[in-house]
Amino acid sequence: GAGVSQSPRYKVAKRGQDVALRCDPISGHVSLFWYQQALGQGPEFLTYFQNEAQLDKSGLPSDRFFAERPEGSVSTLKIQRTQQEDSAVYLCASSLRQAGYEQYFGPGTRLTVT
Amino acid sequence: ELKVEQNPLFLSMQEGKNYTIYCNYSTTSDRLYWYRQDPGKSLESLFVLLSNGAVKQEGRLMASLDTKARLSTLHITAAVHDLSATYFCALTNTGNQFYFGTGTSLTVIP
Repeated sequence: GAGVSQSPRYKVAKRGQDVALRCDPISGHVSLFWYQQALGQGPEFLTYFQNEAQLDKSGLPSDRFFAERPEGSVSTLKIQRTQQEDSAVYLCASSLRQAGYEQYFGPGTRLTVT
Repeated sequence: ELKVEQNPLFLSMQEGKNYTIYCNYSTTSDRLYWYRQDPGKSLESLFVLLSNGAVKQEGRLMASLDTKARLSTLHITAAVHDLSATYFCALTNTGNQFYFGTGTSLTVIP
């Protein structure tokens, strides 16, 4: 079946622009996660949804970052007024059940802020 | 916060040799995962280890878990070039987060 998909795959933004990154999880997966992966580093947790509820947003680095999953399927990560330090790969993952179970990752969106 | 350390960070090995990657973590965890990441690609799940003493093997890779020592190992047997990638261990505690190690970049030299 289809895996986790993300769009766009690559995004170049000028500093100060707003961006929106989309994640389509595996159909039927309850949990959805966003991670930020800087070059040469492991992924770092940003936020977690169980269905449409955002249960944990403790990893969001600033109030410029906002995520939503209004109907419990597709999710959008929005970054306002992008800064150079936001340049990274943003990974989305979904899990069939609640948090703690195996996560399936999408291909990521590489964001470059110039 | 759960801390996860991997070593080595970089590993260059010849084809046919054996080696082990280590993953140490700081607090009790329910389950431990190993992932593989190829350059520019996403993470591919390799193993899920659920209990003390768990051992899983797939091809030339074998993963084990010692919860008392808070240590997992990923052993590579008779390495081949196709195994060149970055390997991450990751853990979850009772919360929502996965905590990833820094990764081990493996290069297998012909």
